[in-house]
Amino acid sequence: DQQVKQNSPSLSVQEGRISILNCDYTNSMFDYFLWYKKYPAEGPTFLISISSIKDKNEDGRFTVFLNKSAKHLSLHIVPSQPGDSAVYFCAASGGGNAGNMLTFGGGTRLMVKP
Amino acid sequence: DGGITQSPKYLFRKEGQNVTLSCEQNLNHDAMYWYRQDPGQGLRLIYYSQIVNDFQKGDIAEGYSVSREKKESFPLTVTSAQKNPTAFYLCASWDLDTQYFGPGTRLTVL
Repeated sequence: DQQVKQNSPSLSVQEGRISILNCDYTNSMFDYFLWYKKYPAEGPTFLISISSIKDKNEDGRFTVFLNKSAKHLSLHIVPSQPGDSAVYFCAASGGGNAGNMLTFGGGTRLMVKP
Repeated sequence: DGGITQSPKYLFRKEGQNVTLSCEQNLNHDAMYWYRQDPGQGLRLIYYSQIVNDFQKGDIAEGYSVSREKKESFPLTVTSAQKNPTAFYLCASWDLDTQYFGPGTRLTVL
């Protein structure tokens, strides 16, 4: 049973436009959410995070929104750039798990076209 | 420079052989993790360790073993019991609220 889901395996966006990546979760005990960016054959790099006490966190071109009632979060990238093309993973922690474990979604491949 | 190193970047082994993947960190992090990524899939947790001389199984521990004799090192052994060992393996460590990842090792079993 996947507790964190990214239902769109891929997304294509024109350069300069907004990219919106979505993530849904089922465990209401998750209290911290993260987004990672991953290029092929490299380790994921941390992008941005949000605590469940907030509904929005912004860092430059990246904004994460959290809707706790819907158990949904999204990552907005504005404006999108070709270098943003990568696989994006959302992850959640808490949920009663010990060891600060993260539960990852399956990833969304973002392609930003020049 | 502080960080997580994994070696080698690419590793080839014959079927039936055990192989050990290295993970070293000089970040002074207590917790370390091993994940596996398969094409088109997310990251799945193999093993994790919260402290030296202690480790716990993750979601897909069968066919793998680990040790944590030093804080800086968390090697992963892929044994011959692992049915589908070809994958991209990622090591991570934990600081505050975030996991930081190494560059990964691509293991191919021929």
